[in-house]
Amino acid sequence: KAGVTQTPRYLIKTRGQQVTLSCSPISGHRSVSWYQQTPGQGLQFLFEYFSETQRNKGNFPGRFSGRQFSNSRSEMNVSTLELGDSALYLCASSLNRLNTEAFFGQGTRLTVV
Amino acid sequence: DQQVKQNSPSLSVQEGRISILNCDYTNSMFDYFLWYKKYPAEGPTFLISISSIKDKNEDGRFTVFLNKSAKHLSLHIVPSQPGDSAVYFCAASATDYKLSFGAGTTVTVRA
Repeated sequence: KAGVTQTPRYLIKTRGQQVTLSCSPISGHRSVSWYQQTPGQGLQFLFEYFSETQRNKGNFPGRFSGRQFSNSRSEMNVSTLELGDSALYLCASSLNRLNTEAFFGQGTRLTVV
Repeated sequence: DQQVKQNSPSLSVQEGRISILNCDYTNSMFDYFLWYKKYPAEGPTFLISISSIKDKNEDGRFTVFLNKSAKHLSLHIVPSQPGDSAVYFCAASATDYKLSFGAGTTVTVRA
């Protein structure tokens, strides 16, 4: 079956702009989580969506937001981009809210210039 | 506040030998632990996990050990193969369902 699909794979934006990233989970998976990966920081939890509701949020400013649609697809939005937002953004899906085995997409590499 | 720590940023091991990756955590509420492997330009791939009610879990060449009293877990890879060269992340979760990751350990397997 198809894995987690993230689009676009690469993105270059200018400071101050906003960006929307998309994640299509594995078919049947209802939980989608987003992570930010920067060099030396590992993966930092952004938020989790389950049944179209944000269930959990990490320690990121309000410029980071997201949503989940009825088909479990999720989008993440970052407004007023800063240079420090340059990172690999990873989406993970799991069957339910138990993160016993979350499957990751390939990520979206965002570069802010 | 980094609740999951991988204190060794890199590890070099000869092919055929054992690789031991270590991970420490501070949150006593963590009840599930996972290891992920990541190649460049790819998302992390699940390797193996362990529940807090166990102290060992094996899957082929991979074994994870959990020492709850020390808040420490380790991943053993035996024997190490060239394809094991990657970044390995330790992760933990509690009842809030979010994964807390360590910063990763880059493993290089030498021929």
